[in-house]
Amino acid sequence: GQQVMQIPQYQHVQEGEDFTTYCNSSTTLSNIQWYKQRPGGHPVFLIQLVKSGEVKKQKRLTFQFGEAKKNSSLHITATQTTDVGTYFCAGQITSGTYKYIFGTGTRLKVLA
Amino acid sequence: GAVVSQHPSWVICKSGTSVKIECRSLDFQATTMFWYRQFPKQSLMLMATSNEGSKATYEQGVEKDKFLINHASLTLSTLTVTSAHPEDSSFYICSARQGSSYNEQFFGPGTRLTVL
Repeated sequence: GQQVMQIPQYQHVQEGEDFTTYCNSSTTLSNIQWYKQRPGGHPVFLIQLVKSGEVKKQKRLTFQFGEAKKNSSLHITATQTTDVGTYFCAGQITSGTYKYIFGTGTRLKVLA
Repeated sequence: GAVVSQHPSWVICKSGTSVKIECRSLDFQATTMFWYRQFPKQSLMLMATSNEGSKATYEQGVEKDKFLINHASLTLSTLTVTSAHPEDSSFYICSARQGSSYNEQFFGPGTRLTVL
């Protein structure tokens, strides 16, 4: 079946360092979404990427969708303690119910 | 953004009992609702997709007779965990989507189920 993997699984960084998480799908996606989940909370929508090769920025966050629409990345510049949480990508499959399959997630810890 | 609520936010029940979880879209009509389960420190696993007025589509490995889903209106979907067992203890999260399949989905705050 379809799988969406993320690496790394965990990342500890010093505050001010950059952070990147990579998302890889076994199949071509219709679009991809990114979510952030704080401990004890529910996933919060960050962004959606639709076009091949698309790049979007939100302040210190840069999101990229691969040319083949099978991979994506999230890069955070100069991390802050408020960036702590688990980042999930979710890829939408291209048929049927157009469901989203969540990636395995990357847990980020930022050390002050 | 749009608001999705879930009730209850947490529930503790005895093994063998049934538990109903409600998911409501408060300010939009949700043509599609999704139910996910999340075990501690793991990702969200889609359990089923429901469209208003039709039967839910369950993911492989999810027992439809154990996890009953009803999407009776455009603002309400319910998940009933029947004859719950300790292994059903988990965080259940719903999400709702309006209209087009390209629209973002909005998540509820989740329901933590503990089965004793």
